[in-house]
Amino acid sequence: AQKVTQAQTEISVVEKEDVTLDCVYETRDTTYYLFWYKQPPSGELVFLIRRNSFDEQNEISGRYSWNFQKSTSSFNFTITASQVVDSAVYFCALSDTLQGGSEKLVFGKGMKLTVNP
Amino acid sequence: DAGVIQSPRHEVTEMGQEVTLRCKPISGHNSLFWYRQTMMRGLELLIYFNNNVPIDDSGMPEDRFSAKMPNASFSTLKIQPSEPRDSAVYFCASSLGNPTEAFFGQGTRLTVV
Repeated sequence: AQKVTQAQTEISVVEKEDVTLDCVYETRDTTYYLFWYKQPPSGELVFLIRRNSFDEQNEISGRYSWNFQKSTSSFNFTITASQVVDSAVYFCALSDTLQGGSEKLVFGKGMKLTVNP
Repeated sequence: DAGVIQSPRHEVTEMGQEVTLRCKPISGHNSLFWYRQTMMRGLELLIYFNNNVPIDDSGMPEDRFSAKMPNASFSTLKIQPSEPRDSAVYFCASSLGNPTEAFFGQGTRLTVV
């Protein structure tokens, strides 16, 4: 069965520090997708990134970067020079393809990041 | 685009009452999902529709829960009768199907007292 583990439940950093959020997944599928979502205090879930299992290139988007390593089944997320607005709960998720071709997302438990000024 | 729209944002009801949560997916999306978020269980999928047809409802906890999608622009999740353990945030999400990301609504925070 698909499983996502976010070992860290809560992290607190000071503004401008770099922070890495860990994500380890389990799947028997050869083709799958990995995601990160952000849930700010307002409650909505905001899509950050999707990565397919055949693309192990790291990705950078502004202060955000993602490191996908199939060998260790990890998809870690780094925020460089963190800001107070980065404070949120971050979820890693793994796709599980359903009948009909769409994706069910299996979520990790989430990691609460607090960035203090 | 207005995104996925859920209503109400907050609902407080008494145990035993019927509760109906509503969702309007993003226009053109053919997949719709209902998720529930609780502290104990995290985010879990309740039901998934594709082209308005329920495909997987294995996550629906009990017969007290039912969901419908009468057309491509509207879905409801009904709980009858509601119980305190149903208190959670219920999210609706829509997507274009595989392989793409799901866009979530702002959620409905349900409190059953």
